[in-house]
Amino acid sequence: SQQGEEDPQALSIQEGENATMNCSYKTSINNLQWYRQNSGRGLVHLILIRSNEREKHSGRLRVTLDTSKKSSSLLITASRAADTASYFCATELDSGYSTLTFGKGTMLLVSP
Amino acid sequence: GAVVSQHPSWVICKSGTSVKIECRSLDFQATTMFWYRQFPKQSLMLMATSNEGSKATYEQGVEKDKFLINHASLTLSTLTVTSAHPEDSSFYICSANLRITDTQYFGPGTRLTVL
Repeated sequence: SQQGEEDPQALSIQEGENATMNCSYKTSINNLQWYRQNSGRGLVHLILIRSNEREKHSGRLRVTLDTSKKSSSLLITASRAADTASYFCATELDSGYSTLTFGKGTMLLVSP
Repeated sequence: GAVVSQHPSWVICKSGTSVKIECRSLDFQATTMFWYRQFPKQSLMLMATSNEGSKATYEQGVEKDKFLINHASLTLSTLTVTSAHPEDSSFYICSANLRITDTQYFGPGTRLTVL
């Protein structure tokens, strides 16, 4: 099964609202990464959070990591229509090798 | 659900040789596939967009002659690393776009080590 599992699978909100997406994983990780993908385009890296970090910010993005629960959340504040995209979490295992595993993603729709 | 496979899952080769990595969508047709590479503890980097029946679109800084992409059918895209060098050692991952749902499915990745 997938190492990273996002929920919800789909999320529909109004502009200005906050959007929260969650990611759970099963094994020890070196880091967890969040990506955005606009329709038909390649992934865009958003934030990388290391296993010894608990929270990171980047603009309107806030990522938390709880290694005890093996979960992470991505919060987008004051969402905009342009935030409409699919969001993926990916985990790099703490195995000494470079192995990135993706979840199935959350489709976010932000309506004007 | 939709499945994307990559072959091989890992490969070790000598410097100067070429390595071909296959990306297959097993139960759906993908007009668009993406190739990425990732160095340890770093984020994924988009290398190119592979379109069936046409030339791939490469990201800035990615050498077209070094990383040959062929998307000959709706279920197969290949990435050939030509004249590989140790700095090409990386994790290469592909994804395939299921057009009807506009959903991406990721392959398990290929770990390339060039000696």
